[in-house]
Amino acid sequence: DQQVKQNSPSLSVQEGRISILNCDYTNSMFDYFLWYKKYPAEGPTFLISISSIKDKNEDGRFTVFLNKSAKHLSLHIVPSQPGDSAVYFCAARMNRDDKIIFGKGTRLHILP
Amino acid sequence: KAGVTQTPRYLIKTRGQQVTLSCSPISGHRSVSWYQQTPGQGLQFLFEYFSETQRNKGNFPGRFSGRQFSNSRSEMNVSTLELGDSALYLCASSLTSRSGYTFGSGTRLTVV
Repeated sequence: DQQVKQNSPSLSVQEGRISILNCDYTNSMFDYFLWYKKYPAEGPTFLISISSIKDKNEDGRFTVFLNKSAKHLSLHIVPSQPGDSAVYFCAARMNRDDKIIFGKGTRLHILP
Repeated sequence: KAGVTQTPRYLIKTRGQQVTLSCSPISGHRSVSWYQQTPGQGLQFLFEYFSETQRNKGNFPGRFSGRQFSNSRSEMNVSTLELGDSALYLCASSLTSRSGYTFGSGTRLTVV
């Protein structure tokens, strides 16, 4: 049972445009959400996070939006750059045991 | 400061054998988590150790086990290897169980 779902396996976006990566979750016990970025042959690196008590968090070109009623979060990257081409994982932390559950990832291709 | 170190980087084993993977967390980090990454399945949680105690466990068979030493280094063991165990095994460490993770580069295990 996939508690964190990234329904788009891949996404292609023109350089300079906005990239929007989506994530849905099913468990209301999640209290913290994270996005990780992964390049081939490297481990995931932390990108941005958001607490369940907020609906938006911004860090430079990256903004994460949380819609608790819809159990949906999204990562916006503006403007998209070639170095943003990577796999992006959405993750959620369970508030009862701190376990972090990852989605399957979305591969983002930034087109020149 | 040094990051999370995983050894070896690559490993080829035969079906039925066993394997031990090692993870050295960032100095001072007491929590170590292990994940399995396979194509199409994202990052699947194996287990988490904190101060030498297993805090959380994912839905993997008993062939997968781990431990953590007093210096916070962790090992993961897989016995009676199956072809389906071929994957990238990632270790992540954090200061506390509620802090963000820092991942290592992973160990690529191939079972033939």
